[in-house]
Amino acid sequence: EIVLTQSPVTLSLSPGEGATLSCRASQSVSSNYLAWYQQRPGQAPRLLIYGASSRAIGIPDRFSGSGSGTDFTLTISRLEPEDFAVYYCQQYSSSSPMYTFGQGTKLEIK
Amino acid sequence: EVQLLESGGGLVQPGGSLRLSCAASGFRFSSYAMSWVRQAPGRGLEWVSGITGSAGSTYYADSVKGRFIISRDKSQNTVDLQMNSLRAEDTAIYYCSKHIKTGGYNPIDSWGQGTLVTVSS
Repeated sequence: EIVLTQSPVTLSLSPGEGATLSCRASQSVSSNYLAWYQQRPGQAPRLLIYGASSRAIGIPDRFSGSGSGTDFTLTISRLEPEDFAVYYCQQYSSSSPMYTFGQGTKLEIK
Repeated sequence: EVQLLESGGGLVQPGGSLRLSCAASGFRFSSYAMSWVRQAPGRGLEWVSGITGSAGSTYYADSVKGRFIISRDKSQNTVDLQMNSLRAEDTAIYYCSKHIKTGGYNPIDSWGQGTLVTVSS
């Protein structure tokens, strides 16, 4: 099983600042099959990034993903008020189980 | 517009059974894999089970293998999750979700609003 560890657990920033979220895998994620999701309070998750660096439809370009192998990053430039939420990474390359999520990073307003 | 509407959640005693259903619309249902993902109160996301577009393959998390069964009905555009031998740790919001491709190994691009399952005596 590929275990995903996200850091930090909580990130406190102000609107307008940039954010860097990390996701580290216990073993290599093949084909960079790594996605990022945003979950606002009381809402279902939303796909932001897939394939480690491809933005999903309708996602603003202030969201970007990078990385390969075991280390991946979600970068949010110029934080907007609606960006304060919980972010999850997910791998979809392993066969058992097929999908695993990281434990999440909470991005909160400082 | 993709719409996923879950139903069937509720309160059930430990050891009991529950069947969740998800009504899908707004896309070519048989062309996409579907999954159930759950979230325990105040906790993170856990993938539970998935099924390919053709329903030829099903997949389960170890935590539910042998207890849950996923199925889909292309005539009704529904995907169901039969949950048996329920435990307290199965208590969660269960989200129906749609993948971006028909097979396995691809991300989720649409989610329902979820249905709450509470396992308690």
